[in-house]
Amino acid sequence: GEDVEQSLFLSVREGDSSVINCTYTDSSSTYLYWYKQEPGAGLQLLTYIFSNMDMKQDQRLTVLLNKKDKHLSLRIADTQTGDSAIYFCAENLQAGTALIFGKGTTLSVSS
Amino acid sequence: DTAVSQTPKYLVTQMGNDKSIKCEQNLGHDTMYWYKQDSKKFLKIMFSYNNKELIINETVPNRFSPKSPDKAHLNLHINSLELGDSAVYFCASSEPGVSYNEQFFGPGTRLTVL
Repeated sequence: GEDVEQSLFLSVREGDSSVINCTYTDSSSTYLYWYKQEPGAGLQLLTYIFSNMDMKQDQRLTVLLNKKDKHLSLRIADTQTGDSAIYFCAENLQAGTALIFGKGTTLSVSS
Repeated sequence: DTAVSQTPKYLVTQMGNDKSIKCEQNLGHDTMYWYKQDSKKFLKIMFSYNNKELIINETVPNRFSPKSPDKAHLNLHINSLELGDSAVYFCASSEPGVSYNEQFFGPGTRLTVL
């Protein structure tokens, strides 16, 4: 079946690293994504990883993919108050099909 | 130069009314989507269109009827609105096989049914 799970809340202090975890059940996913949603706003693609990769780094963001365990994580280094938002993990089984979203992790960053 | 736009941004209406939400993309994409985000922030696909043809129709009540007059537009018409229809509706578009299949989202339409 198709199901993407995330923990719902994460609270960190400014300057710390944040790690948001996600598990998915469909191993045939081609791409996995992290989207960010700020309060009252739409969805912004933060980063993605192709299913044949196990790590991707993009400035303060590091994505790790463990296909065996169907586990995806997003690490944000030096977390800032502006990183406070909801982070959605999503999978895409094939091009042109809908994204399957996790329930979102609300990241709260305190100064 | 907005990529995916939706109107209106906010919609407040009474139960039983009929309303429409419009979506337009200027990215030249073939595929467009409607997603619903409920009060708990859960996001789920409702419909997907490819080049004006319906591809996905999840278990959505038939009070919801998408219409695609051309591949740049995907409108959502809702009949006999119910309290449970209150949500934020997001339109998105993508071009399969291009740019890691990224879907570009509109800003959302917040629908409140009283």
